[in-house]
Amino acid sequence: NAGVMQNPRHLVRRRGQEARLRCSPMKGHSHVYWYRQLPEEGLKFMVYLQKENIIDESGMPKERFSAEFPKEGPSILRIQQVVRGDSAAYFCASSRDTTYEQYFGPGTRLTVT
Amino acid sequence: AQSVTQLDSQVPVFEEAPVELRCNYSSSVSVYLFWYVQYPNQGLQLLLKYLSGSTLVKGINGFEAEFNKSQTSFHLRKPSVHISDTAEYFCAVSVGRRALTFGSGTRLQVQP
Repeated sequence: NAGVMQNPRHLVRRRGQEARLRCSPMKGHSHVYWYRQLPEEGLKFMVYLQKENIIDESGMPKERFSAEFPKEGPSILRIQQVVRGDSAAYFCASSRDTTYEQYFGPGTRLTVT
Repeated sequence: AQSVTQLDSQVPVFEEAPVELRCNYSSSVSVYLFWYVQYPNQGLQLLLKYLSGSTLVKGINGFEAEFNKSQTSFHLRKPSVHISDTAEYFCAVSVGRRALTFGSGTRLQVQP
């Protein structure tokens, strides 16, 4: 059973460009969470989604950031007009209906130049 | 809201010695508790979890943790560490299946 998949693993964007991060949850998992790990900081929650629904986006910056988890395909975290402060590791986690633990992907390391 | 405090940012220890990584949490409601390990440039791996039942939980790689409700603690222990245990360890809590709230992490450095 494959784990949580994230791509790309590394992403370099210039200031002002858009970044799209993809997450495929584990098979049978319908809950997806996105977290951000800034340099020398802990992990901070961004958004929690189920298929086609955003359940909790309380940790997501109000501007430039959006997330979706369509009926088919991976979850996407989109950052528009990236700035240097967006440079971080972005982790996706998934869980299934019958359990509470979250399983993490390897992360996408975004560098904004 | 919940919060997690990991009291030690770094813990140096010699190989084959025991180790305890401390975690305290604050919450006005019942929480689930987790420990994760992160190796350099990798994602987080679940070490163990406490959802209910026995307060002593055993996880992977020989780690165990004890839930103490009165002290709101969930300390992680291993009786004998290996060089390969060198990593960052994160304590986390959640309310139901809501977001995880993480501590700031403890860097375990195992020395030969």
